[in-house]
This record gives sequence, structure tokens and C-alpha cells, in this order.
Amino acid sequence: ELKVEQNPLFLSMQEGKNYTIYCNYSTTSDRLYWYRQDPGKSLESLFVLLSNGAVKQEGRLMASLDTKARLSTLHITAAVHDLSATYFCAVDMEYGNKLVFGAGTILRVKS
Amino acid sequence: GAVVSQHPSRVICKSGTSVKIECRSLDFQATTMFWYRQFPKQSLMLMATSNEGSKATYEQGVEKDKFLINHASLTLSTLTVTSAHPEDSSFYICSGTGSNQPQHFGDGTRLSIL
Repeated sequence: ELKVEQNPLFLSMQEGKNYTIYCNYSTTSDRLYWYRQDPGKSLESLFVLLSNGAVKQEGRLMASLDTKARLSTLHITAAVHDLSATYFCAVDMEYGNKLVFGAGTILRVKS
Repeated sequence: GAVVSQHPSRVICKSGTSVKIECRSLDFQATTMFWYRQFPKQSLMLMATSNEGSKATYEQGVEKDKFLINHASLTLSTLTVTSAHPEDSSFYICSGTGSNQPQHFGDGTRLSIL
């Protein structure tokens, strides 16, 4: 059974600081997704990582995937308050298959 | 990008009522649709997977007679919560996927049963 673990579950950051969220998964897959969720809202797709070594960047967020280690990271650079949200990683085996989500990381960026 | 429209966005109703939630893919054919439930401060939990024209596949612990799923066309799936009770109150999110596409999520439906 595919399991996805995220850590930390809660992250309080100062503005301007850097930090990394980790996502580990239990079975072989080269497909991993990162989502953002604001309170009361649905999911917003951030990154789709589909191969070993994939790295994608958007603004202050950068995601990478190491399929051999079964690990993805979401790196936050110089955090700003607008990044406060809950971040989920998720894994599937192929398109059309179900996604298995991590527990989510609640990020709070303090001024 | 691909758009999934979910309606209604919020429902408040009395215990015992049946509630229908619609999920439409607006600009692609969703051969597979997924229904998730999310309780406060928790992750998304898959309830069922539906393929167009087929019966839905329910996850373990999800009552198929309580959560009726219909996926009669390539652009529409519905979830009906029958005889809803307060413990069914939750945030329900659908997603759709077509050929060689990642899942596209609807905006969610907040269901509150009084």
C-alpha cells in the first residue's frame, strides 16, 4: 500500500527565512505533485514532478524529486506572509490512478 | 488550463436530507473522476473513483449506499449524500482527469448538516 509522509506538519517561519518541507513515499513511483490549500478553499496545483531529478521553481518555491530515495522537497526561499497556507504532496502510480496525499504542512509566515 | 466546476460551493441542510453535488469538466473529457472528503485540519481522503459509464469503485470504509456516485457522461459526475447526518458534514472535493493528464480539482463543496 502506497503511503506518503510529510514533515514537518506545522512550520512557523519568520519572513525572509528559508526552509524545506519533506515528502517521503513508500513505493516506487516517479510521479509526485505539490499543492497549496488556503483556508476554506480547494487545492491549487503548484508542481508536477514526473521524473527522477526533476526540479521546478516558481517564485520563492522550488520542488525537487529523488525517486531513488523516494523523497521530494519543497524549498521556500525568503518567505513572505503570502506563502502562509497548507501544502500537500501527493503521489500516484500513473495518470488516472488515485492520488495518495501526505498529511499536509501548515505554514505560517510571521512578519 | 483544464477547469473543473463543482456546484454548489456550500450547502446547509437538515438531518435526513439528501444532497447532490455536481462536478463538471468544462474544457476536457474526464474519463475518470475522483471524490474526496476533507475534515477540518486533515488531509484529503479518497472516497471513490468513477469511470464514465461504469460503477464507482469505493474506498474501504465508504458506504456506497450512502454516497451515491454517478458518472454518466465524460463531463459530469455527481455525488449524492443520502439521508445526511451531522457526521457527514465535511468539505467534499472532486477532481477529473482525462487522457494522459494530472487530476484537476474542483473548488469544493462545504456541507453542513444541522
